[in-house]
Amino acid sequence: AQTVTQSQPEMSVQEAETVTLSCTYDTSESDYYLFWYKQPPSRQMILVIRQEAYKQQNATENRFSVNFQKAAKSFSLKISDSQLGDAAMYFCAYRSAGSNSGYALNFGKGTSLLVTP
Amino acid sequence: EPEVTQTPSHQVTQMGQEVILRCVPISNHLYFYWYRQILGQKVEFLVSFYNNEISEKSEIFDDQFSVERPDGSNFTLKIRSTKLEDSAMYFCASSSVGSRSNYGYTFGSGTRLTVV
Repeated sequence: AQTVTQSQPEMSVQEAETVTLSCTYDTSESDYYLFWYKQPPSRQMILVIRQEAYKQQNATENRFSVNFQKAAKSFSLKISDSQLGDAAMYFCAYRSAGSNSGYALNFGKGTSLLVTP
Repeated sequence: EPEVTQTPSHQVTQMGQEVILRCVPISNHLYFYWYRQILGQKVEFLVSFYNNEISEKSEIFDDQFSVERPDGSNFTLKIRSTKLEDSAMYFCASSSVGSRSNYGYTFGSGTRLTVV
């Protein structure tokens, strides 16, 4: 089974600064998808960004971008120009591209991001 | 934007009782899921459902749990004989797969289950 590791339980960033959240994963598959989800205090799961493993180009969504290193099995999230509303729990997730997995998401334990004024 | 709707948002039940958590997935999605998040812990996969049957389930999803799509729109999770450790946030999700351009996953807002 694939495992997703987020080695930073907590991170802190000052407003307007940049922060990078780490994620590594373990898989023997060559085709898969990776995601970052944001969970604010409301506990809703909000998709931040996603990456297809077969694409070499790193995904970007406004202030959010990823550094996808397939050989290193690393998928970090960079948040630029941090805002107070970015404070939340961030989960990295893996999903197999094959149908035999039922397309289930496998989550890391999360990183709690604190944004200070 | 289409949403996954979950009801109720919060349910309190007595230990040993049965609960049914309800979800309305996005209408053109084909896969449906239930996930669980115990407070302060990571989100855990319970079960996926496709073509009116379970396609995958985790070790957590034992005989205490069952899922059903009774009427073509609702997707339910039934927990029989609830235990204190079943207290958690339960998320429903749906996705449309089969196309590389559309592998999106949409979560509902969750049902907070408290077993007392």
